[in-house]
Amino acid sequence: RKEVEQDPGPFNVPEGATVAFNCTYSNSASQSFFWYRQDCRKEPKLLMSVYSSGNEDGRFTAQLNRASQYISLLIRDSKLSDSATYLCVVISGGGYNKLIFGAGTRLAVHP
Amino acid sequence: ETGVTQSPTHLIKTRGQQVTLRCSSQSGHNTVSWYQQALGQGPQFIFQYYREEENGRGNFPPRFSGLQFPNYSSELNVNALELDDSALYLCASSLWGQGFYEQYFGPGTRLTVT
Repeated sequence: RKEVEQDPGPFNVPEGATVAFNCTYSNSASQSFFWYRQDCRKEPKLLMSVYSSGNEDGRFTAQLNRASQYISLLIRDSKLSDSATYLCVVISGGGYNKLIFGAGTRLAVHP
Repeated sequence: ETGVTQSPTHLIKTRGQQVTLRCSSQSGHNTVSWYQQALGQGPQFIFQYYREEENGRGNFPPRFSGLQFPNYSSELNVNALELDDSALYLCASSLWGQGFYEQYFGPGTRLTVT
């Protein structure tokens, strides 16, 4: 079983739609959680951190459920520029910042 | 731009050859991590260097090795290349310390092994 699993996608949605991505992680000792965005043939970039209390950044909302070991990302009012692959990322400790990535979910927003 | 640079951008090698990839970290960062991203997959952690020493390693064989230099730049060396080594190799620089410090990724080196 992979340490971080995501919906494989792709998600094809029209502009203005609301889309939700899910992610589960297997290590209950995981400490930190993030969503990264990766554009085609580019490097991953940090989109937002994820906290148990939930956090929001404009049209993006991230949630963490430690009991279920589940992470989500909600994108409201999708824009064409949101088209990318969204990577769920976990840090499981071990004394160093080893990022554990899911395989990513591809989002395509169309006019 | 993150300020992290990698060279070369693309590389084609033959099975059995050796390759060296290079990474210059962002100014002020002292830690470099290397990741391998196969097509359609998320990046996989190879190893991390801090103060010129390996500071953690993922599930990669010993033919993957690295170095960090006093200026915090780093090299990834892969010996005896295999077809499955074809991937995007990403380096990420960060500060070392308590808690999470964001890792900034370079644009990657795309390695093709034929």
